Amino acid sequence: TQTVSQSDAHVTVFEGDSVELRCNYSYGGSIYLSWYIQHHGRGLQFLLKYYSGNPVVQGVNGFEAEFSKSDSSFHLRKASVHWSDSAVYFCAVSYGTGGYKVVFGSGTRLLVSP
Amino acid sequence: NAGVIQTPRHKVTGKGQEATLWCEPISGHSAVFWYRQTIVQGLEFLTYFRNQAPIDDSGMPKERFSAQMPNQSHSTLKIQSTQPQDSAVYLCASSLQGANTEVFFGKGTRLTVV
Repeated sequence: TQTVSQSDAHVTVFEGDSVELRCNYSYGGSIYLSWYIQHHGRGLQFLLKYYSGNPVVQGVNGFEAEFSKSDSSFHLRKASVHWSDSAVYFCAVSYGTGGYKVVFGSGTRLLVSP
Repeated sequence: NAGVIQTPRHKVTGKGQEATLWCEPISGHSAVFWYRQTIVQGLEFLTYFRNQAPIDDSGMPKERFSAQMPNQSHSTLKIQSTQPQDSAVYLCASSLQGANTEVFFGKGTRLTVV
């Protein structure tokens, strides 16, 4: 069974702080790892993905994520958050031929206080 | 590019009634996904089409749920004899080739079964 674990349901930081949202997965085969953001009342928006190569991938709006095979992790980071980054963040694992099967984590709600 | 369009945005049905949800994927995208989002279960994979063909419906409750993609410009998710536990936000998504490419989500249809 493929699982995606986001250990923190809620994270609160101040504007300008750095943040790391944690994601761990369990799957033995070839996978794609992604992060999505969901603002209140809106659909999911793609942030970034990793399949191979440089384990640190850059995404939109200053987000980056680092893949670690040894830790089975794909943590999302941002050096300096803005209040508009407040949203729910979902980590996702895609597998199967062409990566069509996607399993999402339970999400981490990030609240950025001014 | 209007993105993935889902209609209606909100639907209220009485218990036992049928509900049909519509999705218009992004033009040119060959992969279409349906997901269900609830507070309790999070994001759940329902079904996946590739070039209009059903590839994997393993996430679909078998008895009352069905999905079709009669042409490349729209897909439908039909729920027969709706039950209160079917209340959720149903998300449609599309991508160029599968989940190994960026997946674009619609804003979802919020289904409420009363």
